[in-house]
Amino acid sequence: EPEVTQTPSHQVTQMGQEVILRCVPISNHLYFYWYRQILGQKVEFLVSFYNNEISEKSEIFDDQFSVERPDGSNFTLKIRSTKLEDSAMYFCASRGVVLNIQYFGAGTRLSVL
Amino acid sequence: GENVEQHPSTLSVQEGDSAVIKCTYSDSASNYFPWYKQELGKGPQLIIDIRSNVGEKKDQRIAVTLNKTAKHFSLHITETQPEDSAVYFCAASPKFSGGYNKLIFGAGTRLAVHP
Repeated sequence: EPEVTQTPSHQVTQMGQEVILRCVPISNHLYFYWYRQILGQKVEFLVSFYNNEISEKSEIFDDQFSVERPDGSNFTLKIRSTKLEDSAMYFCASRGVVLNIQYFGAGTRLSVL
Repeated sequence: GENVEQHPSTLSVQEGDSAVIKCTYSDSASNYFPWYKQELGKGPQLIIDIRSNVGEKKDQRIAVTLNKTAKHFSLHITETQPEDSAVYFCAASPKFSGGYNKLIFGAGTRLAVHP
């Protein structure tokens, strides 16, 4: 069964450093999303991406965040200068054209020290 | 914007009993309501979904009901088994979201099924 894969599974970084979280969506999907889940809290929408551009972003997704689909298969989330409060589990999701079903990856746990 | 409330936050049942988790949403334009199961160390996995033109949907031991008037929807699990133990999230998708159907999640319910 096709799945969304995310790497790395755990990323530890120092405050102020840049991180890139990587995702490989399901191959024929065209809509891509990033969500995050701070420990013990709700899964929160960050950004959606379609046709090589951001279609919507939440207030969390400020200038420190960016997304890119550099090569037609990977979908990345970059945090330019990490803060302690960026520590969370980050989930990538993708969906196809017909059905509004989002498939989630296993997540990347980001720990900012 | 859309807001989803989910109750209870924790639920403990005996194996074989039924479990019910309830969610309410605020945006009457929301038209898609999935339920996800999250096991430890894994991402959310879709277990069932319902669209606003349907009042009930069933898949083996799992059912979802939707009351559009009251803006609430519920997950029903019958004949619970220990492997049903997980965190369950409800979500709503605003119809006119410019984000191509972003999901707004509830806070989650930790279900424990005791043998």
